[in-house]
Amino acid sequence: EPEVTQTPSHQVTQMGQEVILRCVPISNHLYFYWYRQILGQKVEFLVSFYNNEISEKSEIFDDQFSVERPDGSNFTLKIRSTKLEDSAMYFCASKGGSGGAGTQYFGPGTRLTVL
Amino acid sequence: AQKVTQAQTEISVVEKEDVTLDCVYETRDTTYYLFWYKQPPSGELVFLIRRNSFDEQNEISGRYSWNFQKSTSSFNFTITASQVVDSAVYFCALSEAGGANSKLTFGKGITLSVRP
Repeated sequence: EPEVTQTPSHQVTQMGQEVILRCVPISNHLYFYWYRQILGQKVEFLVSFYNNEISEKSEIFDDQFSVERPDGSNFTLKIRSTKLEDSAMYFCASKGGSGGAGTQYFGPGTRLTVL
Repeated sequence: AQKVTQAQTEISVVEKEDVTLDCVYETRDTTYYLFWYKQPPSGELVFLIRRNSFDEQNEISGRYSWNFQKSTSSFNFTITASQVVDSAVYFCALSEAGGANSKLTFGKGITLSVRP
């Protein structure tokens, strides 16, 4: 069964460093998303991406964040200068479906720890 | 704006008991989608069910059943004869539209503990 994969599973970084979180969506999906979950809290939307551009972004997704689909398979989230409050689990999701009315399937997540 | 409320935060039951997880949503759209996801202790988000706003039929899948009532804006989830493996955090989520702009808005989640 196709699945979304994410690497690394755990990333530890120093405050102010850049990190890139990687995702490989399900191969025939066209819509891609990033969410985050601070420990013990709810899952929050960050950004959606379709047709090689951002469709929607939340208030959390400020200038420190960027997304890219550098090739036909990967979807990345970059945090330019990490802060302590960026520590969270980051989930990638992808969706297929005609007209986009499908289900988002999530990857296993990347736990980001900023020291 | 869309909102999902899961008023229950933690539920603890003994194995084989039935348990219902409540979800109430708010949206201005007439077309929307409701979801339940399970987050086991390992941390991943596992899709359980999607329901379209124009389909109020309840659904049963094995020990799981879902009760969608538009009149009360609720989409409740019942586990029958609970098992220890059901222990997890359960999230209800809402999407207001299809297409690219179909972000999921999650509730705060309900932590279910099933004791042997």
